[in-house]
Amino acid sequence: LAKTTQPISMDSYEGQEVNITCSHNNIATNDYITWYQQFPSQGPRFIIQGYKTKVTNEVASLFIPADRKSSTLSLPRVSLSDTAVYYCLVGVEGGATNKLIFGTGTLLAVQP
Amino acid sequence: DVKVTQSSRYLVKRTGEKVFLECVQDMDHENMFWYRQDPGLGLRLIYFSYDVKMKEKGDIPEGYSVSREKKERFSLILESASTNQTSMYLCASSLRGEGGEQFFGPGTRLTVL
Repeated sequence: LAKTTQPISMDSYEGQEVNITCSHNNIATNDYITWYQQFPSQGPRFIIQGYKTKVTNEVASLFIPADRKSSTLSLPRVSLSDTAVYYCLVGVEGGATNKLIFGTGTLLAVQP
Repeated sequence: DVKVTQSSRYLVKRTGEKVFLECVQDMDHENMFWYRQDPGLGLRLIYFSYDVKMKEKGDIPEGYSVSREKKERFSLILESASTNQTSMYLCASSLRGEGGEQFFGPGTRLTVL
């Protein structure tokens, strides 16, 4: 099973770019990499997903090296409202092969 | 917008009681999930269902069972609640497909006394 490892916490300031890395050494061929954001008293919310190379959407970029043993979530120009816990999820769902592993999350604290 | 609702935001039960946590989604998703979230441990998958009446164990199924009689509803059952089941319980749903985006409910904070 692909276990993930993330930093427990990170600090940043408004306007900076933040990169959060997730290690997943045992990632399987069919596994996708997905990142979620969670605010207090809310369920996690999908940010971005990728399989390989680079994916970009309106809120973040996801960088995945060729060996896929890690991934980096990049948040451009963070604001105070980006303070949240960020989870890296590796896996694929589907019948008996489902194993979806969340990491323990990275608490990002953005300061003024 | 996808909406995933959970029957209660807060629930207090006594040890030994049978507890039902209900989850309903309105987007015709095939997949539904139950997680528990504890400080320092992140989200851990309890059970997963990929179709009506179909279920698969997640990482921590002990002490729990599930029921999926209708596509939109996924129930988590604690047959005999114990204090170590005090936790935040999160339900999610997704379309079938590899690595499909999961939509989460607001969570139920269960306290077992």
